[in-house]
Amino acid sequence: AQKVTQAQTEISVVEKEDVTLDCVYETRDTTYYLFWYKQPPSGELVFLIRRNSFDEQNEISGRYSWNFQKSTSSFNFTITASQVVDSAVYFCALSGYTNAGKSTFGDGTTLTVKP
Amino acid sequence: NAGVMQNPRHLVRRRGQEARLRCSPMKGHSHVYWYRQLPEEGLKFMVYLQKENIIDESGMPKERFSAEFPKEGPSILRIQQVVRGDSAAYFCASSPSGGYQETQYFGPGTRLLVL
Repeated sequence: AQKVTQAQTEISVVEKEDVTLDCVYETRDTTYYLFWYKQPPSGELVFLIRRNSFDEQNEISGRYSWNFQKSTSSFNFTITASQVVDSAVYFCALSGYTNAGKSTFGDGTTLTVKP
Repeated sequence: NAGVMQNPRHLVRRRGQEARLRCSPMKGHSHVYWYRQLPEEGLKFMVYLQKENIIDESGMPKERFSAEFPKEGPSILRIQQVVRGDSAAYFCASSPSGGYQETQYFGPGTRLLVL
């Protein structure tokens, strides 16, 4: 069975603050992929990143960075110098080897960035 | 380079009617996935299809729901005799091939409202 937990239901920050969104996962698979998606108020789902279970290097893309720690089964997402346009619901997802095609999503974290 | 297309974007049905949701995958993608998002919740897997085949329907309710992905044309998610509890956003995703490593690219969703 796969499970993704995003313990933070809602986060509110002021523009330019840094914010970290937590994601903890459970899987019996030794081979799996982790994903982050953004769902802005308009409702569509935007793919942000994919990371495989063998690659624990942190990744940075502009103001976004991801910290994958296999030892704690976490894949956290940090936004540096947040902007109002970052306001959205962010979902972490897991796809394990034995559940091909069947991604498991967390319940999402609603991020509000105030001007 | 069109993305995943879903129509209609919004659908209103009365209890007992049928709802048909359509999904055209990205060009070159032959694998389609349907997810349901209830209000304030994450996405829940429903069904995974390849052309003319249902690969995994473990997340789909046994009654009233069916899905198909014909050789020609879009994938269809069909809900018969809708009830108020079916009100949700239904997202379709596609990938070039199946597998846990594939990134699923999502359409804009269909918001179904059952009166």
